[in-house]
Amino acid sequence: QVQLKESGPGLVQPSQTLSLTCTVSGFSLTSNSVHWVRQPPGKGLEWVGAIWSGGSTDYNSALKSRLSISRDTSKSQVFLKMNSLQTEDTAIYFCTGPSLGGYWGQGVMVTVSS
Amino acid sequence: DIQMTQSPSSLPASLGDRVTITCRASQDIGNYLRWFQQKPGKSPRLMIYGATNLAAGVPSRFSGSRSGSDYSLTISSLESEDMADYYCLQSKESPYTFGAGTKLELK
Repeated sequence: QVQLKESGPGLVQPSQTLSLTCTVSGFSLTSNSVHWVRQPPGKGLEWVGAIWSGGSTDYNSALKSRLSISRDTSKSQVFLKMNSLQTEDTAIYFCTGPSLGGYWGQGVMVTVSS
Repeated sequence: DIQMTQSPSSLPASLGDRVTITCRASQDIGNYLRWFQQKPGKSPRLMIYGATNLAAGVPSRFSGSRSGSDYSLTISSLESEDMADYYCLQSKESPYTFGAGTKLELK
């Protein structure tokens, strides 16, 4: 069955780089897209970006200068890297696929703090 | 970017009520509109896709509709398990954008 699982550090220092991994099973990355969505504490959902079946990417306009999404199809993993982190990047980060919405990971809480 | 204006932000309602949440798109998105439900501490759940199609396993009291650039999620008879936050999302073009959310709570 389809599963997604996020992993990564829970705490990141300001100005540092966040690296998250989404490991998927039950579907192929070469045939489906995977999206990242984040949610600051007590706030709404924000679309972060996506990697499409062909490997192209799209990003949130406000984040695109700091954001990179890539994948390793052999390991069924999607990666998110965001640099120059600030406190406002504190959020739960979810990955979702195939496409956006059908299945979600449980999310990983990322706190940006010194 | 396409803006999604969602209303109301908070909706007090009683069990058995018929409730409607609305999103307005800033430009044409066709039927590329999804609705999500999120309960505290949980991941979002897809409820409606293609503006009007019920996702698998979603109770039939939920429905989606469209009138021009206005999209609505309606619950025909509110049950206690429906108390949650609801979000719309446009997937017509990148960057995708969510509405700000509606908190459905017991009156």
